[in-house]
Amino acid sequence: GESVGLHLPTLSVQEGDNSIINCAYSNSASDYFIWYKQESGKGPQFIIDIRSNMDKRQGQRVTVLLNKTVKHLSLQIAATQPGDSAVYFCAENILSGTYKYIFGTGTRLKVLA
Amino acid sequence: KAGVTQTPRYLIKTRGQQVTLSCSPISGHRSVSWYQQTPGQGLQFLFEYFSETQRNKGNFPGRFSGRQFSNSRSEMNVSTLELGDSALYLCASTMLPGQGVREQFFGPGTRLTVL
Repeated sequence: GESVGLHLPTLSVQEGDNSIINCAYSNSASDYFIWYKQESGKGPQFIIDIRSNMDKRQGQRVTVLLNKTVKHLSLQIAATQPGDSAVYFCAENILSGTYKYIFGTGTRLKVLA
Repeated sequence: KAGVTQTPRYLIKTRGQQVTLSCSPISGHRSVSWYQQTPGQGLQFLFEYFSETQRNKGNFPGRFSGRQFSNSRSEMNVSTLELGDSALYLCASTMLPGQGVREQFFGPGTRLTVL
């Protein structure tokens, strides 16, 4: 689909297992992060966000972990379902700054039946 | 509440032509950003508008321009199209800035093909 680059890293997970998608962000001053899901033919869909004063945030079936020391984000999806198959992006921003977000390259998640 | 809408969804143009894409943000959102998405470069920030003013601009040539209207709707224009402009153009909206709300929501995109 439109969202997929030819060389995106791919994570293949068995249906029902947990998925962990990682992202290294670029700017140590970034203090706000969003995870997006993009299905083929669609725009990115907001999944969950986290601010730098937290190291963990949970949503429905998803958990985001933030490690500021190593500038690393992860998205955990519990009990992965076929509908979770998509490309996942992290985006970083500085809350006191502009609305310019920097996006990671993305990871393709494939759920195996 | 309706999401971000973009028109048209698909567009085919030839080199040298120009194109205008339209974006209507979520009701109440006043900041609109535009992105270009290609397989080779991923999501690249084009520009961001708030209160009819361009506040931020990415590293794109002057052929890429935009504007925002008083109702927060935004348009972007690409002049003298090149083959490399073929991409998915995404619009994203955010609520009033300065209130600590930074969730950015995307539209479905406009797929531009330049022949």
